[in-house]
Amino acid sequence: EAGVTQFPSHSVIEKGQTVTLRCDPISGHDNLYWYRRVMGKEIKFLLHFVKESKQDESGMPNNRFLAERTGGTYSTLKVQPAELEDSGVYFCASSPRTRGSAFFGQGTRLTVV
Amino acid sequence: DQQVKQNSPSLSVQEGRISILNCDYTNSMFDYFLWYKKYPAEGPTFLISISSIKDKNEDGRFTVFLNKSAKHLSLHIVPSQPGDSAVYFCATGSNTGNQFYFGTGTSLTVIP
Repeated sequence: EAGVTQFPSHSVIEKGQTVTLRCDPISGHDNLYWYRRVMGKEIKFLLHFVKESKQDESGMPNNRFLAERTGGTYSTLKVQPAELEDSGVYFCASSPRTRGSAFFGQGTRLTVV
Repeated sequence: DQQVKQNSPSLSVQEGRISILNCDYTNSMFDYFLWYKKYPAEGPTFLISISSIKDKNEDGRFTVFLNKSAKHLSLHIVPSQPGDSAVYFCATGSNTGNQFYFGTGTSLTVIP
């Protein structure tokens, strides 16, 4: 069974550009999470989908970040326009249940220059 | 405002000895606790968890201890093996909540 897949694995963009990250969760997992780790700090929650609905987006830094999960399958996280402080590793995770542990993808390393 | 703190950024242990990784949390409402292990260029992998109704959970070489009064969590690995070398993240949250709060991680190196 395939795990959580994230694309791209690395992205380097200039300040002011737009970047879209994609996450394919494990098939059948209704719960999908986005997290971010900046410069060796803690892994911080961004938002949580249950199927196509946003259950909790309290961790989204600002309105430059937009997450979608059309059809309740894969999810995208768009940053527009990107700023220097957006650099970090973005992790997606999925889970069959709201409670308990989640399976993480390998992450997308975003560098804004 | 960190909800979870891992005060040791790194730890080195001799192969075969015990590794003890520590974690402190601030919110007494947290009732579910997890440890994740992360290798370079990979995502975190779930290792072991414990709910607040227990004070110990064991899985093979890994044991997690929970001290609710001290709001302290620890992970014991015994015996430690070189393959255990990784970054370990403590995570806590409510079992009914949507998100988990992670610590900054402790990089464990097991020396052969």
